[in-house]
Amino acid sequence: TQLLEQSPQFLSIQEGENLTVYCNSSSVFSSLQWYRQEPGEGPVLLVTVVTGGEVKKLKRLTFQFGDARKDSSLHITAAQPGDTGLYLCAGEKTGANNLFFGTGTRLTVIP
Amino acid sequence: EADIYQTPRYLVIGTGKKITLECSQTMGHDKMYWYQQDPGMELHLIHYSYGVNSTEKGDLSSESTVSRIRTEHFPLTLESARPSHTSQYLCASSGLGRASDTQYFGPGTRLTVL
Repeated sequence: TQLLEQSPQFLSIQEGENLTVYCNSSSVFSSLQWYRQEPGEGPVLLVTVVTGGEVKKLKRLTFQFGDARKDSSLHITAAQPGDTGLYLCAGEKTGANNLFFGTGTRLTVIP
Repeated sequence: EADIYQTPRYLVIGTGKKITLECSQTMGHDKMYWYQQDPGMELHLIHYSYGVNSTEKGDLSSESTVSRIRTEHFPLTLESARPSHTSQYLCASSGLGRASDTQYFGPGTRLTVL
C-alpha cells in the first residue's frame, strides 16, 4: 500500500480553468513537499510546507498543508499549457531518513 | 539550475548484459539517491548514500548495486539485465540535513531491456 495517495491520477483541462489536486495519507508528516516533473526531466521542487494549516502561494499555485499534517492540496488558478506535467507530493516522517513520494497526478493543460 | 548529470539518457540492451548507469553532481552534496520510476508516475527509492563508502538499500528491493568511492559520483550497476529491469532510473542529491532538504534530480536514464 502506498503511504501517500494522490488524486486524481490523471487530469486534462482547458487553458484558463482552475484545478485542485490532492495528496492524502493516514500518517502524520513533519513536512510535505510538492515537485513538478516535465517529460524527459527529473522532478523539481516547488514548495515545502511544515506547519499544520500552512498556506503557501507561488504565483498561480496555492499549496495547503492539512491541519493534522496528514494531507495537502495544490490549487492552480487559470491553468496554462506550461503547467503540464507530473505533480508529485513527498512527505517527511519524523525519524525517517528519506522522503516518501506519492502516486503522482499527471496534468495536461490543453491550449 | 541543478548541477547533477546522468548518462546515458537512453539505453536499449539485450538480456544478460552488464550495465552501469552514471550519476555525477558538482554541488558537493553528501547524500545521493537512486529512484526507479514507473512510466510517468510514482518514484520508488532503491538505493541511497550518506557519503563516501556509505550505501544503503531503499524501500524497493532491487537487483542493482551501487558504489560511492567519490563524493560526486554514484554509479548504479546491473550485473545481468532482464526485461523486468526496464524502467526510468532517476538520480538525486541533497545536503546532509533533514529528509526534507531539497533533492536535486538528474534528467534520468530510460532503460529498455529486450
